Amino acid sequence: DTAVSQTPKYLVTQMGNDKSIKCEQNLGHDTMYWYKQDSKKFLKIMFSYNNKELIINETVPNRFSPKSPDKAHLNLHINSLELGDSAVYFCASSLSGATNEKLFFGSGTQLSVL
Amino acid sequence: KQEVTQIPAALSVPEGENLVLNCSFTDSAIYNLQWFRQDPGKGLTSLLLIQSSQREQTSGRLNASLDKSSGRSTLYIAASQPGDSATYLCAVSPDYKLSFGAGTTVTVRA
Repeated sequence: DTAVSQTPKYLVTQMGNDKSIKCEQNLGHDTMYWYKQDSKKFLKIMFSYNNKELIINETVPNRFSPKSPDKAHLNLHINSLELGDSAVYFCASSLSGATNEKLFFGSGTQLSVL
Repeated sequence: KQEVTQIPAALSVPEGENLVLNCSFTDSAIYNLQWFRQDPGKGLTSLLLIQSSQREQTSGRLNASLDKSSGRSTLYIAASQPGDSATYLCAVSPDYKLSFGAGTTVTVRA
């Protein structure tokens, strides 16, 4: 069973569209994250939720809106997509968000904005 | 601002050779350092996590060392195999957020 699963794996869309990426974890973790991997392969955190509450918001444009209906799900909605949003987006989770915990990552969603 | 650098960006070795991957970070005030493996089209898999109070961690053929004072970590992979081919990333945790390096892409030739 996949521990952290995200859908879709690939997303190709036009500028200006609105799209969502879904993430689910079956590890029983309290904390979930969204990371963005840019073309230079650097991973940067975007958001973190602990038990459905936002705890990290890393200066991400407000076109990006995370939503956590329960602690096992953290979805990412993006409005008015721009060319610069093209990247690979990774969902991750950890047990409680403590700094000594391993992170478990999903397989990524490659977003291409045309 | 924490900056994490991994050198070299790519490495190609024959099967059986030991691998040495380097990671350096600018701010030594970290809670831990993690090494991840990323396979093409797949997510990251955590390999080793070293707490700031530790100097090394071992798992099978993998050994990671941490020298906080010099801002360096090294990942050793003994007796490399073609299945070790992947991108290896290090990440440091100064708080709740991980700061990642860009990774070292390793190719092990059979």
